[in-house]
Amino acid sequence: NAGVMQNPRHLVRRRGQEARLRCSPMKGHSHVYWYRQLPEEGLKFMVYLQKENIIDESGMPKERFSAEFPKEGPSILRIQQVVRGDSAAYFCASSPEATGGFEKKLFFGSGTQLSVL
Amino acid sequence: SQQGEEDPQALSIQEGENATMNCSYKTSINNLQWYRQNSGRGLVHLILIRSNEREKHSGRLRVTLDTSKKSSSLLITASRAADTASYFCATQSGNTPLVFGKGTRLSVIA
Repeated sequence: NAGVMQNPRHLVRRRGQEARLRCSPMKGHSHVYWYRQLPEEGLKFMVYLQKENIIDESGMPKERFSAEFPKEGPSILRIQQVVRGDSAAYFCASSPEATGGFEKKLFFGSGTQLSVL
Repeated sequence: SQQGEEDPQALSIQEGENATMNCSYKTSINNLQWYRQNSGRGLVHLILIRSNEREKHSGRLRVTLDTSKKSSSLLITASRAADTASYFCATQSGNTPLVFGKGTRLSVIA
């Protein structure tokens, strides 16, 4: 039973290029979350999606960032016109439907390290 | 916004000793979770404690929760070199996504 799969593991982009990060959730999971982590920092929430729907994008910058989770295929986090400040580790997590009320236990991928030159 | 704040930021102990990490948070919660992150890897869920629970055990892990003080602690007993990692607390309020703290970096020296 494969875990959460993220690719690529490392992505290098020059300023102004586009970055596309992919995430396949665990089998049977319909909820996907994207988090960003800077060195020596915790994870900062970006966006929460279910199949074909964005549920909460309150942590995602309004410009240049977008996310989708289509009916078929992986979730995509897209960063247009990248800047040096976008350099970070981007983690995807998935969860099944919450049980027992509001209990979301997250399963994380290994992350994509984005470096902007 | 940062909800949980772990303390200490870094902790170095000898193998066999116990390690205690603390987490404080600001708002009311439904549950609090602890995660572990090895260098360069994703986070792994360790334990979840509900707001109506005070203590929970899992193997060498013991978690306590004091909702009156808005704080939690994670105790790792008889630590091993393999426990070296960063440990994060995460809080959940209502149906909102988990909010993580900045973590405690634990080093266990053999």
